[in-house]
Order: sequence, then C-alpha cells, then structure tokens
Amino acid sequence: QLQLQESGPGLVKPSETLSLTCTVSGGSISSSSYYWGWIRQPPGKGLEWIGSIYYSGSTYYNPSLKSRVTISVDTSKNQFSLKLSSVTAADTAVYYCARQETYYDFWSGSQGRGWFDPWGQGTLVTVSS
Amino acid sequence: DIQMTQSPSSLSASVGDRVTITCRASQGISNYLAWYQQKPGKVPKLLIYAASTLQSGVPSRFSGSGSGTDFTLTISSLQPEDVATYYCQKYNSALSFGGGTKVEIK
Repeated sequence: QLQLQESGPGLVKPSETLSLTCTVSGGSISSSSYYWGWIRQPPGKGLEWIGSIYYSGSTYYNPSLKSRVTISVDTSKNQFSLKLSSVTAADTAVYYCARQETYYDFWSGSQGRGWFDPWGQGTLVTVSS
Repeated sequence: DIQMTQSPSSLSASVGDRVTITCRASQGISNYLAWYQQKPGKVPKLLIYAASTLQSGVPSRFSGSGSGTDFTLTISSLQPEDVATYYCQKYNSALSFGGGTKVEIK
C-alpha cells in the first residue's frame, strides 16, 4: 500500500525559505503513470495546489506561486521536495504531498495530469519570527 | 484562469436526506473534475474522478455528474459519517480546487 510522509521544520521565519520533503514508501516514485504533487491548506481555509513533478524532473506550478516555488525529485531516495522562498505569515498552512494520477487526454493526444490519491498526513508549517 | 465555484458554501441536512453540491467552472473543462471529502481534522480523500467515476472503496451513495461547466456531487442518503467538507478540483491544464462545501447534520 502506497504511503507518503511529509517531513521538515514546523516553524520558519518570515523572508526565509520553507523546505519540505515527501518520502514515498510501498511503491516507486519512478513510475511513468504518476506525477507527485504538493497541496497546502491554511488553517480553517480551503485547498491550494502548489505544484507537481514527474520522476524525470518535469514540473508544473501554480502560476500564483511559481516565482517562489521549486519542486525537485530524488529517485534514488524515493523522495520529492518542496522549496518555497520569501515566506510570509500567509504561507502558514498544513502542507500535503500526494500522488497525482495521469490519464490519456484524447483532446490533446498526450498524457494528462489528474487527481490526487493517496495523500500524506500533512505537516503544519508556521511562519513566524 | 478558469475559476471553480462551489455552492452552497455550507448546508445542513437530516440523516437520510438527498444532498446535492454544485461546482461550476467559468469555462468548459469537459469531464476533467474530481471530488474530495475532508472530514474534520483529517486528510482529503478522493471520492470521484472524471466527473462521475467512483473511486474504489467509496460508498455507492456518492455519485457525480456533469460535463462542461456544471457538475454535481450527490449523496443519495446522508449518513452521520458524511459530515465533512467537500471540494471539487479541475485538472485540465492548470489545476485548481473549489472553495469547499461544509456538510452538517441537522
């Protein structure tokens, strides 16, 4: 059974860089069938997709966060990571990693990037001095 | 950017009631839509993808429909364990979630 586990500091100072790692167990991150994504949820608010990565290193990001986000993958460790720079209190959230299903997109004739399942347990990151 | 609008933002219904949640896209997205359930303090759980395909293990009282711009998630007979916030997510090109619908028991 595939499991994902987020890890990283729970407290980050304003203007610094938030760094999290997601460790995948029970399956290979190098599967051609999946992307791997980061999603966050501020306390009491809704879900926001941050970005996703393929095992090859191909990435795509939420345009609203793109200038501050870097997602990378380490296939040898079965991990992928998130870096979010210049954080403010607005970046305080529970950060989730998740596997993202792909599908054949008949409209474009290419691989589509779809829904998320399963998700990690999430980790709360607070931005505060 | 295509915006996803869920309605209502919250609802209260009795056990056994039929509950319908709507998700509207500002432009057509074919059937590239998923639904998630997030119980209080828990991780989001995939219910439906491709607008109407039930994820394995999800109770059959949940169903999804729609295509283009208008989508619905229906709970045919609300159960106490269905108390949760429900989110839609579009996934054609850019990805985004709806604002959520909180479902409570009356």
